[in-house]
Amino acid sequence: GQNIDQPTEMTATEGAIVQINCTYQTSGFNGLFWYQQHAGEAPTFLSYNVLDGLEEKGRFSSFLSRSKGYSYLLLKELQMKDSASYLCAGGNNAGNMLTFGGGTRLMVKP
Amino acid sequence: SQTIHQWPATLVQPVGSPLSLECTVEGTSNPNLYWYRQAAGRGLQLLFYSVGIGQISSEVPQNLSASRPQDRQFILSSKKLLLSDSGFYLCAWSAARLGTGGSQPQHFGDGTRLSIL
Repeated sequence: GQNIDQPTEMTATEGAIVQINCTYQTSGFNGLFWYQQHAGEAPTFLSYNVLDGLEEKGRFSSFLSRSKGYSYLLLKELQMKDSASYLCAGGNNAGNMLTFGGGTRLMVKP
Repeated sequence: SQTIHQWPATLVQPVGSPLSLECTVEGTSNPNLYWYRQAAGRGLQLLFYSVGIGQISSEVPQNLSASRPQDRQFILSSKKLLLSDSGFYLCAWSAARLGTGGSQPQHFGDGTRLSIL
């Protein structure tokens, strides 16, 4: 099985940079996903890391270290619309199953 | 491009009543399909997944069931709803995983907010 841990809440200031950490303990690990979920809406896919290193997509970047069981999502130049929950999810070798963490609720303040 | 439709968006049902939520995917063939439930302020709990027509795997024993009568149709049902069935129900699809390759991202429908009275 898999165990995914991430902080429950974070607060940051508009224009700043924030890093949301995720640690995982898994058997058959096969990649790490990040999703964004605004209140009352469905999650939307942000990024996927299967190899160690940093993947950059505009203001968002995601990092993975397989040896440390660790990932982070980096959000730059924060905007008010970035206030949302960010879900970390681990992929599993057995099929295409994902195990989701509880999500990190990010509040961006002016 | 692929799209996923889920309905209804909101549903209020009395305890003991039946349930049927439907999800359809367009623009892809032989997708993997998933049903999740999300309690308020919590993470996603996988309920069922399917890799093909008539193939359903249950992750959590409960009074819910799922069926996949067609390749791109996934239905969540219950004969008698409980108060604890309230929540946000999400359908998702992904491409089938290719051999020993990496996992495929799952893409979610807009969800059904179910309230049991």
